[in-house]
Amino acid sequence: RKEVEQDPGPFNVPEGATVAFNCTYSNSASQSFFWYRQDCRKEPKLLMSVYSSGNEDGRFTAQLNRASQYISLLIRDSKLSDSATYLCVVNRGGGFKTIFGAGTRLFVKA
Amino acid sequence: DGGITQSPKYLFRKEGQNVTLSCEQNLNHDAMYWYRQDPGQGLRLIYYSQIVNDFQKGDIAEGYSVSREKKESFPLTVTSAQKNPTAFYLCASSHQQGDGSPLHFGNGTRLTVT
Repeated sequence: RKEVEQDPGPFNVPEGATVAFNCTYSNSASQSFFWYRQDCRKEPKLLMSVYSSGNEDGRFTAQLNRASQYISLLIRDSKLSDSATYLCVVNRGGGFKTIFGAGTRLFVKA
Repeated sequence: DGGITQSPKYLFRKEGQNVTLSCEQNLNHDAMYWYRQDPGQGLRLIYYSQIVNDFQKGDIAEGYSVSREKKESFPLTVTSAQKNPTAFYLCASSHQQGDGSPLHFGNGTRLTVT
């Protein structure tokens, strides 16, 4: 079993839709959590950190459930430019203990 | 602007040749990392360095070597011993080891070995 698991998708949604991605992690010692966005053939870029209280950045909302070892990302009012792969990232303390999920692909269509 | 610069963007080599990928950062980050990404897979850690003149093997270090002579620079050599070197290589940095801060990536080097 992978330490960080994501639904690979792809998710195909129309513009304006709301889409949710889920991620589970297996190591209860995990300390910090992030969502990254990766465009095709580009480097991953930090989208947002994920806090226990939940946090929002514009159209993006991230949630963390430590008891269930579960992270989510909600995108509201999807734009064409949101089309990308979204990586769930878990850190067990120290950059070298950063574990990346394989990513969930999103296609937003006009 | 601060950032991480990887060069070259594309690299082509013949099998049996060693090749060195460059990574430079001006973010004043202490920690630097090398990852490999293959299609449909998550990033896998090759090597990391917490401070100058120190580095540690990651999960897939075989066939690779690194050096950290300067804080700003962390070059990766892909040796002929690496059995499947064709991949997308990503260099990253972060403030400090152990503080849980996120990684920042360079724009990657796509290596093709034939």
